[in-house]
Amino acid sequence: GESVGLHLPTLSVQEGDNSIINCAYSNSASDYFIWYKQESGKGPQFIIDIRSNMDKRQGQRVTVLLNKTVKHLSLQIAATQPGDSAVYFCAEKADYKLSFGAGTTVTVRA
Amino acid sequence: DAGITQSPRHKVTETGTPVTLRCHQTENHRYMYWYRQDPGHGLRLIHYSYGVKDTDKGEVSDGYSVSRSKTEDFLLTLESATSSQTSVYFCAIRGEPSGNTIYFGEGSWLTVV
Repeated sequence: GESVGLHLPTLSVQEGDNSIINCAYSNSASDYFIWYKQESGKGPQFIIDIRSNMDKRQGQRVTVLLNKTVKHLSLQIAATQPGDSAVYFCAEKADYKLSFGAGTTVTVRA
Repeated sequence: DAGITQSPRHKVTETGTPVTLRCHQTENHRYMYWYRQDPGHGLRLIHYSYGVKDTDKGEVSDGYSVSRSKTEDFLLTLESATSSQTSVYFCAIRGEPSGNTIYFGEGSWLTVV
């Protein structure tokens, strides 16, 4: 089976609200984590990453939190916009390979 | 877009025919990857390459072969396509300088009928 998975397959968010997307991982040896966004008909797009020696990293409107104690990763999107509607994947890296979960579909309501 | 071009972008082929997908990159990246994406399975690694003529298997390599005769091109071949290989195929490269982040191409949609 897969070592990375998301807690919820779908998430509906009101425009302007904050979104939180969760992810659990199982490989303690993973040293790097990435969030990707995938829009319909396109390839996964890098959003933000975090190393295993960090617990928080902020980007533009996005924040990634890492809790290694419970092997949990989350992506927070501030002031969610219609353009944020997509499938979001977390990925964990061990050595040269990335392992992906099945993804969370985020739908933004106007 | 990390300078990745996949071709063809869409293809329909018959069971038993050979198919080759091409990934071309323009930024001299050493590591290249082929993934497939299917509903309920996410992205799964098929094969990867760590240099010219250096390749290795991923988690779902059965039925696939790869070749890398030059840095910029990584070819994925289905020797005899089956319906279970109907999927979306993504090429990816390992970004520099950190070498941690993997960047994806736009995908190749393959249908085997």
